[in-house]
Amino acid sequence: DAKTTQPPSMDCAEGRAANLPCNHSTISGNEYVYWYRQIHSQGPQYIIHGLKNNETNEMASLIITEDRKSSTLILPHATLRDTAVYYCIVRARTQGGSEKLVFGKGTKLTVNP
Amino acid sequence: SQTIHQWPATLVQPVGSPLSLECTVEGTSNPNLYWYRQAAGRGLQLLFYSVGIGQISSEVPQNLSASRPQDRQFILSSKKLLLSDSGFYLCAWSSQGAQPQHFGDGTRLSIL
Repeated sequence: DAKTTQPPSMDCAEGRAANLPCNHSTISGNEYVYWYRQIHSQGPQYIIHGLKNNETNEMASLIITEDRKSSTLILPHATLRDTAVYYCIVRARTQGGSEKLVFGKGTKLTVNP
Repeated sequence: SQTIHQWPATLVQPVGSPLSLECTVEGTSNPNLYWYRQAAGRGLQLLFYSVGIGQISSEVPQNLSASRPQDRQFILSSKKLLLSDSGFYLCAWSSQGAQPQHFGDGTRLSIL
């Protein structure tokens, strides 16, 4: 299973773009990169995922390097409600062949007023 | 649209008591279903997953069991709770294939 490495914490000013990096140097060709966030005491919220092309949705953009060994989640205009722990996950297979999410420690993003 | 419901939101149980947590999904059929646990200050750990009715796979040995009596119902159980069973329990669902998992709001379980 490919592992991911994220900085433990980051700060961002309200209204500015938040760029959250993730390294996944051992990712294999058919593994997707998923981003989730978890606000305290709530379940993780899906943000975005991608394989090799850059992706954008109403919440964020995902930039994946050409060699797929790293990616960046971009929140274009961070708000105070974006303060959360952000998890970068490479989808791994379970023993039975299904797929599971392996959550690391993530990045604690604090958006400051 | 699809929704996932978990209950109760919080639960305080004595050691040795039984447990039953329920999760239901609406708006989709034949979902993959998952139970995760998050210990305080730690990441999520997959406990069980199910790809269909009556089909349960366990990821780690433990004091808990899971069942899927209906297509969109997933139940987490224990006959006798241990102190180490305390934590934040999350149910999730996904469609087949490389689709994202969507989580419920979780149950915070405290064992006394």
